[in-house]
Amino acid sequence: DAGVTQSPTHLIKTRGQHVTLRCSPISGHKSVSWYQQVLGQGPQFIFQYYEKEERGRGNFPDRFSARQFPNYSSELNVNALLLGDSALYLCASSPGDRSYNEQFFGPGTRLTVL
Amino acid sequence: GNSVTQMEGPVTLSEEAFLTINCTYTATGYPSLFWYVQYPGEGLQLLLKATKADDKGSNKGFEATYRKETTSFHLEKGSVQVSDSAVYFCALSESGGNYGQNFVFGPGTRLSVLP
Repeated sequence: DAGVTQSPTHLIKTRGQHVTLRCSPISGHKSVSWYQQVLGQGPQFIFQYYEKEERGRGNFPDRFSARQFPNYSSELNVNALLLGDSALYLCASSPGDRSYNEQFFGPGTRLTVL
Repeated sequence: GNSVTQMEGPVTLSEEAFLTINCTYTATGYPSLFWYVQYPGEGLQLLLKATKADDKGSNKGFEATYRKETTSFHLEKGSVQVSDSAVYFCALSESGGNYGQNFVFGPGTRLSVLP
């Protein structure tokens, strides 16, 4: 079975631009979460979507938004990019939204903002 | 709020040495606890988990016990290999109400194993 897939793998943008990152969860998983991992740090929670509804939001500005589609895939959008948005963006899927559900991570999208 | 603290790295060991990576947590309820591993250039992989107090998670020779009284989930391995070189993340997960699953990661501990 395919794992979590993310696209693109790498992305280079300039300040002020907009970016869309995409994620496809493991088949049968209804929850998708997004994380930002700055070099040398642990992942920071951005959003969780479950059954197409936003269920959690981390401490990120309104420039960050996301949505989940009927097939449970998801997009993360970031507007007005800043240099500090440069990071590895990880998507994770899980079968549900309970505490014992492990999250399965994709390989990430490496975003560089120049 | 919830938080996870890990011992600072990097940790450098010789092959076949004993490994301990300390992890302590702060949580408002009864979280599940996880260890994830990240190899260079890759995403995170689940190493082991424990969902209630006194549970022991184990996988690939690694183990960790959920200690509610000390709010700890220390990772141990009796004999490390060069292939264990990676960054290890301790994490907790709580769920409740309308806020889905709240997953919090520690800062990670880099392990280097020398032959």
